[in-house]
Amino acid sequence: QQPVQSPQAVILREGEDAVINCSSSKALYSVHWYRQKHGEAPVFLMILLKGGEQKGHEKISASFNEKKQQSSLYLTASQLSYSGTYFCGTESWGAGNMLTFGGGTRLMVKP
Amino acid sequence: EAQVTQNPRYLITVTGKKLTVTCSQNMNHEYMSWYRQDPGLGLRQIYYSMNVEVTDKGDVPEGYKVSRKEKRNFPLILESPSPNQTSLYFCASSPTRVYTGELFFGEGSRLTVL
Repeated sequence: QQPVQSPQAVILREGEDAVINCSSSKALYSVHWYRQKHGEAPVFLMILLKGGEQKGHEKISASFNEKKQQSSLYLTASQLSYSGTYFCGTESWGAGNMLTFGGGTRLMVKP
Repeated sequence: EAQVTQNPRYLITVTGKKLTVTCSQNMNHEYMSWYRQDPGLGLRQIYYSMNVEVTDKGDVPEGYKVSRKEKRNFPLILESPSPNQTSLYFCASSPTRVYTGELFFGEGSRLTVL
């Protein structure tokens, strides 16, 4: 079962903040975040592991609430380059090596 | 350059005509996977492979086959394509066996089945 992302879409002005949420009905081992620009492949942003470890490339922060099986991605002082569709992917206990993605959150940053 | 290469990038075919989408990675990654992307549904996993000769079903395996005869290649086979397999397909690879690593995606293959 796919995780649920909210909101489905958000429009921001440059410099504004946004939060994207990801919720699962399953016990999670890890949560992954990817960004996809129009016409391109998804690009890795961050992994959050059970126990608090984070791995990421960019200055984007996120949280992982293991008890609630939820994760949130925080985009602060948004830039035009943040525009795209954000996907969370979840890895569940007992689900082998599958990464299940949510339906995506479309983010548009305007000047 | 480290990359995942898919071919073809675009394909229009007809119902029932067998086709193969190739995927090759040059990073010596053990984990490879296929996803399909449809509007509003995000990325759904079709099949994945932990190593040579080891493949497992994802969430939507019906109508697809895969093979992993070599570490670098992971082709996706549609034996008898149907219109509901019209989609954007992504191949991805990761360096880790037990998956907690970054996925590297190919550029995608847009398939239309008439």
